Amino acid sequence: QKEVEQNSGPLSVPEGAIASLNCTYSDRGSQSFFWYRQYSGKSPELIMFIYSNGDKEDGRFTAQLNKASQYVSLLIRDSQPSDSATYLCAVYIGNQFYFGTGTSLTVIP
Amino acid sequence: DTGVSQDPRHKITKRGQNVTFRCDPISEHNRLYWYRQTLGQGPEFLTYFQNEAQLEKSRLLSDRFSAERPKGSFSTLEIQRTEQGDSAMYLCASSLTSPYEQYFGPGTRLTVT
Repeated sequence: QKEVEQNSGPLSVPEGAIASLNCTYSDRGSQSFFWYRQYSGKSPELIMFIYSNGDKEDGRFTAQLNKASQYVSLLIRDSQPSDSATYLCAVYIGNQFYFGTGTSLTVIP
Repeated sequence: DTGVSQDPRHKITKRGQNVTFRCDPISEHNRLYWYRQTLGQGPEFLTYFQNEAQLEKSRLLSDRFSAERPKGSFSTLEIQRTEQGDSAMYLCASSLTSPYEQYFGPGTRLTVT
């Protein structure tokens, strides 16, 4: 079983809608979770991180952690075409970051 | 804060040649990571340094790969006797010990012909 799993998508949402991306993790002891945005041909860009002490909101982005079900989600409100990218989930375990394969998001104008 | 930089940005080499990549982390960051990413996959951990000490290395990493961080600042990743399967984006990231959010450089795209 992989440490981090994501639905590869593609996920398409209309402009202005809420995009919801999910990620499941296998290590129940994981406490630190990260979301990266990656545009085609570019390197990952850190957009949100969340620790085990609760949800986090930053502008249009909200990261939510469900420890009982071992998943973390990223909500993007008021989606914009510029949000079209691949979103990578990462979990920090034992000094290493484990990444999912990413979810491709397309925001349709 | 100038961010993480990597050099070169692109490298084309023939199979069997050696290549070396450089990474300059964010100046105050003491942790430095190397990753490899292929199309449709997330970054795959290769190795990590805390200051000049290489603390972890992926079990999947061939002995053709070696990395150094001699003075705890920049790092180099060398691939000897390159193979076509080594073609990928090589990413460097850096972080503090705490908090440990890591930031990526632009990557070096390697093509082995």
